Amino acid sequence: AQSVTQLDSHVSVSEGTPVLLRCNYSSSYSPSLFWYVQHPNKGLQLLLKYTSAATLVKGINGFEAEFKKSETSFHLTKPSAHMSDAAEYFCVGGAGNKLTFGGGTRVLVKP
Amino acid sequence: NAGVTQTPKFRILKIGQSMTLQCTQDMNHNYMYWYRQDPGMGLKLIYYSVGAGITDKGEVPNGYNVSRSTTEDFPLRLELAAPSQTSVYFCASSYSWDREDGYTFGSGTRLTVV
Repeated sequence: AQSVTQLDSHVSVSEGTPVLLRCNYSSSYSPSLFWYVQHPNKGLQLLLKYTSAATLVKGINGFEAEFKKSETSFHLTKPSAHMSDAAEYFCVGGAGNKLTFGGGTRVLVKP
Repeated sequence: NAGVTQTPKFRILKIGQSMTLQCTQDMNHNYMYWYRQDPGMGLKLIYYSVGAGITDKGEVPNGYNVSRSTTEDFPLRLELAAPSQTSVYFCASSYSWDREDGYTFGSGTRLTVV
């Protein structure tokens, strides 16, 4: 069985400062891991995916995530937050045709 | 290229009523999924399909039914609506579950049962 845990339900950052969204996973085998973003009243959009080709994954809009097997983590970061980054972010694990979603982290960006 | 289209966007149902949430994709994806999103709970898989004529239950299938008569369409049926089914419903599709482009999601249907 697979589970995905997002450690923070809310994160507040100032515009121009770094963003860190934390995600831990548990899986009995190598997972596929994704980060999705959901803007208000919109569907989910794929930010990036861990493919096992590289532990540091670069995504859209300046986001990147690092897969650390020893820590079972897949944290999402961005060096400088923009107002348009205000949204909800989901860490997602994939196995056997199914996705397992974390509970989500809502990001607030202050001017 | 419309992607995944869901209708309606909003709906209010009375307890015991039935309705069908429509989902259509034009990307020739084999895999289609229905999720519900409750506040603070992430998304839960209701049903999924790996191709026309093949469907299977997800984590929370009770109270719902699906069919997949064509590659493009994957409707979700609520037979006897209950307040516990108040949620936002997302349809998604993918070529396979493991591709780098991930899943494509529709914009959601917000359902309220009163």
